[in-house]
Amino acid sequence: GENVEQHPSTLSVQEGDSAVIKCTYSDSASNYFPWYKQELGKRPQLIIDIRSNVGEKKDQRIAVTLNKTAKHFSLHITETQPEDSAVYFCAATIQGAQKLVFGQGTRLTINP
Amino acid sequence: DAGVIQSPRHEVTEMGQEVTLRCKPISGHNSLFWYRQTMMRGLELLIYFNNNVPIDDSGMPEDRFSAKMPNASFSTLKIQPSEPRDSAVYFCASSLGVSGGRTQYFGPGTRLTVL
Repeated sequence: GENVEQHPSTLSVQEGDSAVIKCTYSDSASNYFPWYKQELGKRPQLIIDIRSNVGEKKDQRIAVTLNKTAKHFSLHITETQPEDSAVYFCAATIQGAQKLVFGQGTRLTINP
Repeated sequence: DAGVIQSPRHEVTEMGQEVTLRCKPISGHNSLFWYRQTMMRGLELLIYFNNNVPIDDSGMPEDRFSAKMPNASFSTLKIQPSEPRDSAVYFCASSLGVSGGRTQYFGPGTRLTVL
């Protein structure tokens, strides 16, 4: 079955700098890759997603890139702000399936 | 528009007691997922339903756990008997399914503590 590895497990950056979180997946049939943000004590919420027919997607300060050949995808956050501090989860699912396989999560801390 | 609703939000019980967690998915969604989140194991999928039918229960830890979805607007996750290692946050999520997009919307979670 699908396996998703996420790195790093913790990340600390200065406010205003960029943050990058990387994930790799094992099943080449995977074609949908969402990213969820979970603030302390809150529920995971979708922040951006990408499908396998697209190499990059941007939404304001957030972007996701996908390399199907290498089977990895990354989340990029630019001009980080204190409210970006949270745990971020990547996930993957194969074509025709609904079950998401989540990475282990990255705790991002933005230092003022 | 109401999101996914879960109850109770917090549950404290003693080992050996039965625990029932409840979930109401977003109206119109046909897929429902139960997750468990702990520091050690992260976010684990326990079971999911499509059109009220259990599709994959491979994540259910053992026979003490059971889940039902009697209709499109209600699901339960039951633990009987509960054990301290079941302490976790349990999330319910719903989606429109493959045909309607696979974005999963999570409920606020139930924080379960088993003493």
